[in-house]
Amino acid sequence: QKEVEQNSGPLSVPEGAIASLNCTYSDRGSQSFFWYRQYSGKSPELIMFIYSNGDKEDGRFTAQLNKASQYVSLLIRDSQPSDSATYLCAVNTYQGGKLIFGQGTELSVKP
Amino acid sequence: ETGVTQSPTHLIKTRGQQVTLRCSSQSGHNTVSWYQQALGQGPQFIFQYYREEENGRGNFPPRFSGLQFPNYSSELNVNALELDDSALYLCASSSERGTEAFFGQGTRLTVV
Repeated sequence: QKEVEQNSGPLSVPEGAIASLNCTYSDRGSQSFFWYRQYSGKSPELIMFIYSNGDKEDGRFTAQLNKASQYVSLLIRDSQPSDSATYLCAVNTYQGGKLIFGQGTELSVKP
Repeated sequence: ETGVTQSPTHLIKTRGQQVTLRCSSQSGHNTVSWYQQALGQGPQFIFQYYREEENGRGNFPPRFSGLQFPNYSSELNVNALELDDSALYLCASSSERGTEAFFGQGTRLTVV
C-alpha cells in the first residue's frame, strides 16, 4: 500500500462546476496535510494546508480532513480553465519535515 | 514568487559525471528539503537540512549528498550520475521543521 494515494485522473469538470480531489494516507501519526498545484513544467505551488479535523476554506478552495478515516480532500468551487493542473496531496509525518506526496491528480476544466 | 531560488534551471550531464545544484531559501527560513520528481510522479524526499544539520533522509543512495550553509542556502551533490537520475530536482524551504514548505522553480537535470 502506498503511503499517500490519489486518483491519477484525469478528472474533467466543466467550467463553473465543483472539482473534488481526494487523497488517503496510511500513517496514522501524520500531523499536517498540504495541497499543492503544479502546472505542466513548473514546480509545485502551495494552495492549502490543514492540521485539524474538519473543513478549512480559502476563497474558492476548501480542504477537508478526516483523521479517523485517514482521508483528506480538496474542493474547488466555480472551477476555471486556469485551475487545470496536477494537484498533489502531501502529508507531513510526526518526524516533522519529510513530506510524502501522492502521485497527483490531473484536473482539466473545460470551458 | 516564493522567494526560493534554484540554480541552474536546466542542466545536461553525461553518465558518470558529478553535478551540484544550489538553492537559496526564503528569508527567515532555516529548513531546506530536497526532492526528486520523475515525470508523471509526485516528488520523492531526498533529505532535509535544519540549521546546517541533516535532519532525515529518504531512500536515496549515498552518492546523493548535500549541505547547508550558515545563511541556510543549500547544495545537492550527485556523484556518478546514472540515466535514471534524470528528473526535476526541487528545493523547498520552511520556517521550521514540519511547517508549510515552499518550492523553488526546480532544476531540470538530464543525464545522457
